Amino acid sequence: AQSVTQLGSHVSVSEGALVLLRCNYSSSVPPYLFWYVQYPNQGLQLLLKYTSAATLVKGINGFEAEFKKSETSFHLTKPSAHMSDAAEYFCAVTSGGATNKLIFGTGTLLAVQP
Amino acid sequence: NAGVTQTPKFQVLKTGQSMTLQCAQDMNHEYMSWYRQDPGMGLRLIHYSVGAGITDQGEVPNGYNVSRSTTEDFPLRLLSAAPSQTSVYFCASSYSPVAGGQETQYFGPGTRLLVL
Repeated sequence: AQSVTQLGSHVSVSEGALVLLRCNYSSSVPPYLFWYVQYPNQGLQLLLKYTSAATLVKGINGFEAEFKKSETSFHLTKPSAHMSDAAEYFCAVTSGGATNKLIFGTGTLLAVQP
Repeated sequence: NAGVTQTPKFQVLKTGQSMTLQCAQDMNHEYMSWYRQDPGMGLRLIHYSVGAGITDQGEVPNGYNVSRSTTEDFPLRLLSAAPSQTSVYFCASSYSPVAGGQETQYFGPGTRLLVL
């Protein structure tokens, strides 16, 4: 069975600092991995996804993530945080087979301090 | 395109009442699904559908019912509401998964449900 673990339910950074949100996965088949962002009182928006085409994936709003099979990780980074990045971030993996069922991590709430 | 729309945005129910959460999409997506979001638990799949007339259970289906009579609509029914069903409900849609589920799912704005 597939699963996702997000380390750190709350992360706080200063504006302009590096953002690093951690995600580790468990999968018995080659995974497809996603990062979604949720702004307050809104739905989820796709930031980026890994579909095996390239291990370094660039997404919207300056975010990127690197797929590391040896570490079973898919950490999300952004070189310089902006106040508008404050949101909750979810890592997810699809369960494989002929379905599109997403398995979500528990989320990381990012706070950006001025 | 309106994308994925959900109604109502907010609802208060009493224990034992029933209601239907509506979800519609205008992107001609075959795949639709319902998730619930609870603090500290992420999102969990309730039910999903791979096309009109075809539905299946997800991780937490008890107390919920779905049907898919058209491609566009995928309503979620609470048969007899319980306080444990207080949550935020999200509907999502995507094209049919190919080779293991790499299709992006698009989420609606959510319905906040409070069961007293």
